[in-house]
Amino acid sequence: QKEVEQDPGPLSVPEGAIVSLNCTYSNSAFQYFMWYRQYSRKGPELLMYTYSSGNKEDGRFTAQVDKSSKYISLFIRDSQPSDSATYLCAMSLTGTASKLTFGTGTRLQVTL
Amino acid sequence: DGGITQSPKYLFRKEGQNVTLSCEQNLNHDAMYWYRQDPGQGLRLIYYSQIVNDFQKGDIAEGYSVSREKKESFPLTVTSAQKNPTAFYLCASRTGTGSNGYTFGSGTRLTVV
Repeated sequence: QKEVEQDPGPLSVPEGAIVSLNCTYSNSAFQYFMWYRQYSRKGPELLMYTYSSGNKEDGRFTAQVDKSSKYISLFIRDSQPSDSATYLCAMSLTGTASKLTFGTGTRLQVTL
Repeated sequence: DGGITQSPKYLFRKEGQNVTLSCEQNLNHDAMYWYRQDPGQGLRLIYYSQIVNDFQKGDIAEGYSVSREKKESFPLTVTSAQKNPTAFYLCASRTGTGSNGYTFGSGTRLTVV
């Protein structure tokens, strides 16, 4: 079993829809949780960074962490075609100098 | 602008050759990382370095080597011992203080011909 599980998709939604992306993990020691967006043939870019459980909002993006269920989510409101990309969840044990463990990524397609 | 520069963008390797992928950062970050990305497998850690002149093996270090002689630079050599080197290679860096994620380069696509 992988340490971090993520549905690879693809996930296709119409423009304007609310998108829910999820990851589950097995290591209860993870404390820092991140979401990255990766366009084709590009490096990932950091979207959201959260510590421990709770919600964090940034514009159209909301990240949720439920440590009791070992489950994290990324919500995208009013999805746009420019949101079409692969979304990677990542997590680490500590915040500094700790290596990240990544999910396999979910490919999202937002259609007109 | 600060960032991470990977070169070349595309690289072709013949069987039995060693090739070196370049990674340079001007972010003054302490830690640097090399990941390999394959379809359906996510990012897998090859090597990482938290300070100059020190580095550690990641999960899939066999067939790879690195050096960290300068804070700004963390080159990766793919040796002939790596049996399946065709992949997308990503370099990343991270500051040693505070809580944040990685900054990634734009990647190098390596293909064996």
